[in-house]
Amino acid sequence: GQSLEQPSEVTAVEGAIVQINCTYQTSGFYGLSWYQQHDGGAPTFLSYNALDGLEETGRFSSFLSRSDSYGYLLLQELQMKDSASYFCAVRGGNRDDKIIFGKGTRLHILP
Amino acid sequence: DAGVIQSPRHEVTEMGQEVTLRCKPISGHDYLFWYRQTMMRGLELLIYFNNNVPIDDSGMPEDRFSAKMPNASFSTLKIQPSEPRDSAVYFCASRRALSWGEQFFGPGTRLTVL
Repeated sequence: GQSLEQPSEVTAVEGAIVQINCTYQTSGFYGLSWYQQHDGGAPTFLSYNALDGLEETGRFSSFLSRSDSYGYLLLQELQMKDSASYFCAVRGGNRDDKIIFGKGTRLHILP
Repeated sequence: DAGVIQSPRHEVTEMGQEVTLRCKPISGHDYLFWYRQTMMRGLELLIYFNNNVPIDDSGMPEDRFSAKMPNASFSTLKIQPSEPRDSAVYFCASRRALSWGEQFFGPGTRLTVL
């Protein structure tokens, strides 16, 4: 089977930097995705890492370490609109064409 | 592109009734996924299709749930009979074959079973 662990909640201050961690266990691993979901909305894709290292897209970056079964999402210059839930999702297991989502991390941003 | 389209957006029904949720994926996408989201269980993958063929339905909770994809533009998720514990938000998502980690989600259907 597959399992993902991420903190249930994180709080940060507007303008600061926050890191949301994700550890995973899976029998086969192909990649790690991150999604954002605002209250009442649908998940939207942020990033996908298949190889070790850091991928940067604007204020958001995602990191993967395959040897540690670990990844994180880094959000810089936090804005109030970044208040949302963030999900890591692993592509792995017995099939390489589906992803399984973690339970999500709710990010609270203080002014 | 219009994005993934789901209908209805909200559904309130009584226990025992049949519920049909509908999804139109993005044109040209090869994969279609059905998810269910609740506070307790998070975002669960129910079933997914590749080129209209069901690939993995191991997430379907029980025989009351069924899904079809008669063509590349349309899929349905049916619950018969519905129960209060089926209350959740149901999302449909689609993606291209080689866009491994990137799925596009529809707005969801909020189902309430009384």
